[in-house]
Amino acid sequence: KQEVTQIPAALSVPEGENLVLNCSFTDSAIYNLQWFRQDPGKGLTSLLLIQSSQREQTSGRLNASLDKSSGRSTLYIAASQPGDSATYLCAVYPNDYKLSFGAGTTVTVRA
Amino acid sequence: SAVISQKPSRDICQRGTSLTIQCQVDSQVTMMFWYRQQPGQSLTLIATANQGSEATYESGFVIDKFPISRPNLTFSTLTVSNMSPEDSSIYLCSVETTENTGELFFGEGSRLTVL
Repeated sequence: KQEVTQIPAALSVPEGENLVLNCSFTDSAIYNLQWFRQDPGKGLTSLLLIQSSQREQTSGRLNASLDKSSGRSTLYIAASQPGDSATYLCAVYPNDYKLSFGAGTTVTVRA
Repeated sequence: SAVISQKPSRDICQRGTSLTIQCQVDSQVTMMFWYRQQPGQSLTLIATANQGSEATYESGFVIDKFPISRPNLTFSTLTVSNMSPEDSSIYLCSVETTENTGELFFGEGSRLTVL
């Protein structure tokens, strides 16, 4: 069974600092890995999708890397802003469409 | 991408009652899923909603408790039956679009509180 772990569980940084969020998974036979953002009491917003053949994806200030062999993905958020405060979820997508989610990292960016 | 609308966005329900959540997508999609997020927890897949046939339930979830309909490629409902306080959660609809990229999109969720 795929286990997905996100460390740290919570992170508080001053505005302008770069954020580094980690995701690890136990089974490297994945199809995709997807990063989501969730605001309190809300649904999930897709941030980045990395397919298994890719090593990274970038969108604006966000960059996500994938190392299947070591079972790790990292989400970098450059020059953080208070609006980046949210919970960030990593989800691993095996071949049978059953996403396995991490517990998330809750980020607070202080103004 | 896909725009997913869920109704209701939130509700407070009495123990023993049932509530149906609707999920409407702005385009035809191949795969639709229902997830549950209990307070302080991550997401758990309830079932895959299959168009024209019975839903496929994950371990720990049964049709009598969570009946699902999917009459077409843009709409699905999830009913939470005979609710108890343990059913207080956010219920989320998710879709994969027909582009087959593997990317999943989620609705805003339906927050249910059972008293």
